[in-house]
Amino acid sequence: TQLLEQSPQFLSIQEGENLTVYCNSSSVFSSLQWYRQEPGEGPVLLVTVVTGGEVKKLKRLTFQFGDARKDSSLHITAAQPGDTGLYLCAGGPRGSSNTGKLIFGQGTTLQVKP
Amino acid sequence: DTGVSQDPRHKITKRGQNVTFRCDPISEHNRLYWYRQTLGQGPEFLTYFQNEAQLEKSRLLSDRFSAERPKGSFSTLEIQRTEQGDSAMYLCASSPTGDTQYFGPGTRLTVL
Repeated sequence: TQLLEQSPQFLSIQEGENLTVYCNSSSVFSSLQWYRQEPGEGPVLLVTVVTGGEVKKLKRLTFQFGDARKDSSLHITAAQPGDTGLYLCAGGPRGSSNTGKLIFGQGTTLQVKP
Repeated sequence: DTGVSQDPRHKITKRGQNVTFRCDPISEHNRLYWYRQTLGQGPEFLTYFQNEAQLEKSRLLSDRFSAERPKGSFSTLEIQRTEQGDSAMYLCASSPTGDTQYFGPGTRLTVL
């Protein structure tokens, strides 16, 4: 069974601080996606990374896919209260290219205090 | 708003009752997925449709669960004889290719 483990599970920081969330697996994934979810809502896609070693930037967010396509990280620079939410990584496991089903990590709850 | 809608947004039911949820995907997307999310966890895959064909079901989908997508457009998920353990957020997602999935707002089910 392919699993994705996220760390940390909870993060509470002050506005302006930097943070990194990690998503790790012992399995290779064909792609990894990062979502942000607010309470009572569905996940909203932030980015998809598909190539080992790939780095993508989205304003203050930087996403990296590991060279071996087993891990990924999300770095937020100068966090703002609006960044508060649940961050989820999700992978398309190898062999799932026909279905596209996703395996999710358990999520990282981020609280940014003003 | 991703363009995927789900109805109802909230459902409270008593144990043993049947419930049905609806998902309307983005119209040009032929792939549709159902996931279940419990508190403090990430979503778990339940089932997948390509057009009207249900091509994969998770072992999480017991005999009490059934999903349909009769005309390859909207989909329904029915749970029969609900149990307290069925309480969760039920999420629907659609995709044109499988690489990028767009999630609806979910249906929050509470079984009393």
